[in-house]
Amino acid sequence: GQNIDQPTEMTATEGAIVQINCTYQTSGFNGLFWYQQHAGEAPTFLSYNVLDGLEEKGRFSSFLSRSKGYSYLLLKELQMKDSASYLCAVLDSNYQLIWGAGTKLIIKP
Amino acid sequence: ETGVTQTPRHLVMGMTNKKSLKCEQHLGHNAMYWYKQSAKKPLELMFVYNFKEQTENNSVPSRFSPECPNSSHLFLHLHTLQPEDSALYLCASSPNSGGEYNEQFFGPGTRLTVL
Repeated sequence: GQNIDQPTEMTATEGAIVQINCTYQTSGFNGLFWYQQHAGEAPTFLSYNVLDGLEEKGRFSSFLSRSKGYSYLLLKELQMKDSASYLCAVLDSNYQLIWGAGTKLIIKP
Repeated sequence: ETGVTQTPRHLVMGMTNKKSLKCEQHLGHNAMYWYKQSAKKPLELMFVYNFKEQTENNSVPSRFSPECPNSSHLFLHLHTLQPEDSALYLCASSPNSGGEYNEQFFGPGTRLTVL
């Protein structure tokens, strides 16, 4: 079967750095997405990786290793507004998005 | 209004009621999706429409009935639901379904409670 694993919850301190990991086993791979979802709001697109390596976008970076079936989202200079759930999703060989259950990130002052 | 909108934002219904959820996208996209989001579970894809044609139905019970009159509007008709159907129902759109880098844009969701 297809599976996306990510931690259920993480806690970090304002101003610090946090890394949210995502491992996947899917039938094929056509890219990996990270979305952010604040409580009661729509998921919003953060990043897309299809080639190995690091994609940097401001305070957020996303890394992909296709051989390891692994990605992480790195958040720097954490702010209270970064408290949200972070969803990892993989586009499989049929171009269907397979979603993880999300990681709830709690930022403490 | 921009983006993807959904109404109502909250809905409480009994098991014998009939109600409909509405989604509208103002992005000029051709594909629209219904997802179910339950607490601590992955997003579950329910239905996909591409150019108004249904292309996916992921074994969804018949008590959920989608309707896509045009590329901008998507409905989810609900009848004789069960308490376990209580969840957040998210609508999304993308330029097309399938294909690479198909970023999906989500609406804020309808929080459904079935009593």
